[in-house]
Amino acid sequence: GAGVSQTPSNKVTEKGKYVELRCDPISGHTALYWYRQSLGQGPEFLIYFQGTGAADDSGLPNDRFFAVRPEGSVSTLKIQRTERGDSAVYLCASSPRAGDVPFPQYFGPGTRLTVL
Amino acid sequence: AQRVTQPEKLLSVFKGAPVELKCNYSYSGSPELFWYVQYSRQRLQLLLRHISRESIKGFTADLNKGETSFHLKKPFAQEEDSAMYYCALGVYSGAGSYQLTFGKGTKLSVIP
Repeated sequence: GAGVSQTPSNKVTEKGKYVELRCDPISGHTALYWYRQSLGQGPEFLIYFQGTGAADDSGLPNDRFFAVRPEGSVSTLKIQRTERGDSAVYLCASSPRAGDVPFPQYFGPGTRLTVL
Repeated sequence: AQRVTQPEKLLSVFKGAPVELKCNYSYSGSPELFWYVQYSRQRLQLLLRHISRESIKGFTADLNKGETSFHLKKPFAQEEDSAMYYCALGVYSGAGSYQLTFGKGTKLSVIP
């Protein structure tokens, strides 16, 4: 079946602009995660959704970052007033659920964001 | 807070030689450890997890709680093993989520 998909694959924007990054999880997966991977680093947790609600947004770096998942499937990560330091690969992952059993997380190909 | 350390950024071995990718973690609770792999131009994918105690593509990893390590091993490296390897620690947060904390990764290069 289809895996996690992310669009766009690449996004170049100018400092101060607003961007939206989209994630389509695997069908039926209720848990969805966003990670950010800077150059030379491993992925860093940003936010977790269980269904439609953001159950844990403790990894969002500041209030310029926001994410939604209105219907419990597709999610959008929104970044306002982008800064050069926001340049990174943004990864989305989904799993059947986050519960007592740690299901594996399946990752998308990522969106490479470049802020000029 | 939890932390994962992969001390080697790059590891080069000859084909047929043994491989060991090091991973150490710090976490006060009961750890759940994973190895993820990223081949060139492919997405990050799960290689193995300690609770499964399985061998995938000839790789194994044993959780050593005394040494807080989860090293990845393979007795005979193959060229197709060349990739970026990430060790990750899974933690349940108070908010009910299950976060993965990743190390910085080790690039494995297998020399023909």
